[in-house]
Amino acid sequence: GAVVSQHPSWVICKSGTSVKIECRSLDFQATTMFWYRQFPKQSLMLMATSNEGSKATYEQGVEKDKFLINHASLTLSTLTVTSAHPEDSSFYICSARDSDRGDYSNQPQHFGDGTRLSIL
Amino acid sequence: QKEVEQNSGPLSVPEGAIASLNCTYSDRVSQSFFWYRQYSGKSPELIMSIYSNGDKEDGRFTAQLNKASQYVSLLIRDSQPSDSATYLCAVKARQAGTALIFGKGTTLSVSS
Repeated sequence: GAVVSQHPSWVICKSGTSVKIECRSLDFQATTMFWYRQFPKQSLMLMATSNEGSKATYEQGVEKDKFLINHASLTLSTLTVTSAHPEDSSFYICSARDSDRGDYSNQPQHFGDGTRLSIL
Repeated sequence: QKEVEQNSGPLSVPEGAIASLNCTYSDRVSQSFFWYRQYSGKSPELIMSIYSNGDKEDGRFTAQLNKASQYVSLLIRDSQPSDSATYLCAVKARQAGTALIFGKGTTLSVSS
């Protein structure tokens, strides 16, 4: 089945550090990937839609200069949390859909295992 | 604002019982509906998808969709302790490139 690999799985760093999270589709191509954030006991909130070869589309309230997204190839999207602060501590999850299957509504999204970010 | 609403629970059922999870959505152009299961500290895993009105069965799971009422549900028969998790309802619009919109999830606890 379709596999999405997310790395790292856990990051602990000091306030002010920038952290990069990678999301790779291992056995399919994804022109679009999605980045979600989940706070404890909350649902997954869509942060941005990452588009291969073009700028990401950010959801309302998400700072594009703080959460930098790069989707340079059909299998890799990266999210960089710049100058992270304790309030950025959260569970970050990426997902992707197989582009070769078309963007039909009934195609499921495949999720990475998530990255738990803790900012001290 | 597109919204997906779920009762947060917890929903507690004894082992072997039927668990019923409900979800309503606000966006009438929603076309696809998914149920994901999420264990604590893990990412969601897909359980069921449904696109047409009516019932869809897969093993112990049955998804039900009523687009007129903007309502989707998940029934889990013969509930097992391993089913204890948070169940997320997700909705997708028909437009190309749109992401899933998730509800807050219902926590299910199955006691042995």
